[in-house]
Amino acid sequence: QQQVKQSPQSLIVQKGGISIINCAYENTAFDYFPWYQQFPGKGPALLIAIRPDVSEKKEGRFTISFNKSAKQFSLHIMDSQPGDSATYFCAASRRGGGSEKLVFGKGTKLTVNP
Amino acid sequence: NAGVTQTPKFQVLKTGQSMTLQCAQDMNHEYMSWYRQDPGMGLRLIHYSVGAGITDQGEVPNGYNVSRSTTEDFPLRLLSAAPSQTSVYFCASRWTGLATEAFFGQGTRLTVV
Repeated sequence: QQQVKQSPQSLIVQKGGISIINCAYENTAFDYFPWYQQFPGKGPALLIAIRPDVSEKKEGRFTISFNKSAKQFSLHIMDSQPGDSATYFCAASRRGGGSEKLVFGKGTKLTVNP
Repeated sequence: NAGVTQTPKFQVLKTGQSMTLQCAQDMNHEYMSWYRQDPGMGLRLIHYSVGAGITDQGEVPNGYNVSRSTTEDFPLRLLSAAPSQTSVYFCASRWTGLATEAFFGQGTRLTVV
């Protein structure tokens, strides 16, 4: 049972375009939603995260949009650059007395063509 | 500031062999975890620990053992390697509590032949 569903699996965008990656979850107890970025041969690194008390969070060219009623959240990359080419993972976590497990989506491989 | 250090970076094992993947962090994080990454499967949690002496199973624990004798170290043991354990393994650490960043190591690429 996949707790966080991510789409698309792969995405090709032209330089300067907008990249959009979507995630959906079932567990309404989730209340922390981070996005991780992974370059080839490296470990994932936190890109941006959101709590469900806000509908949007922006950091530079990266924006998370959150729809609590639909149980969906998405990552928007504005003015996409070749350096953004990486695999992106959405994730979710819930309160659990210190044992909160981070559950990941299956990832989206983004390629930004110059 | 080393962060999370994994060794080795690459390893080839024969079926049935055993080995230990090492993970060490220098950030005094209570929470440590092991993930495996397979194509099209994302990151799947193997085992995790919320502090020294405390471990628990994740989503795919079979075939793996862990222990946590110190805050800094969280080794992952493969007792009898199988080809299905060919994967890239990542160790991560973070503070306990919600909304804390997980820091990942560089990964160990394991091939079981």
